[in-house]
Amino acid sequence: KAGVTQTPRYLIKTRGQQVTLSCSPISGHRSVSWYQQTPGQGLQFLFEYFSETQRNKGNFPGRFSGRQFSNSRSEMNVSTLELGDSALYLCASTGDTEAFFGQGTRLTVV
Amino acid sequence: EDQVTQSPEALRLQEGESSSLNCSYTVSGLRGLFWYRQDPGKGPEFLFTLYSAGEEKEKERLKATLTKKESFLHITAPKPEDSATYLCAVNYDNTGKLIFGQGTTLQVKP
Repeated sequence: KAGVTQTPRYLIKTRGQQVTLSCSPISGHRSVSWYQQTPGQGLQFLFEYFSETQRNKGNFPGRFSGRQFSNSRSEMNVSTLELGDSALYLCASTGDTEAFFGQGTRLTVV
Repeated sequence: EDQVTQSPEALRLQEGESSSLNCSYTVSGLRGLFWYRQDPGKGPEFLFTLYSAGEEKEKERLKATLTKKESFLHITAPKPEDSATYLCAVNYDNTGKLIFGQGTTLQVKP
């Protein structure tokens, strides 16, 4: 059974640019959640999508957005990048109760 | 405020030296408590889910327990390959949102 796939694995962007990250969940899982991980703040919840609808949202500015497609694949977008957005972005796929994570996308903003 | 606190932040053990990691939580209506292992530069790897006080789960050298206020991850006779960051997370609303602790970084020396 294939795991959670995140692309790309690494990204370098310039301040002010925007970026789109992709996540393919485990087959059959309808919930996809996104997290930001930094050394100082740890893992922080961004938002969750379930059956193409945003079901929950963390305390992040509106520059962070996401969507989910009918095949459960999800994308998150960050506009007007800031240096502080440099982080490991993780996607989690949930079936019944357990969340399984992808390898993450390492975003560096310069 | 819902909160998850892990202690200690870092733990160094000699190979074979057993110990415990602590995760305390203040969450209304716990739905599930999760333990993950994370290696540097990788996504968290699912270990256990605990749902109710008194529940225990085991996997190889790891055993997780749960009370009404905290969870313990007991590591018996650890090996160097057990070195990693161990993360605790809670869910309280049956959505995909997890609240994570800051993690315990375990180093096991041969």
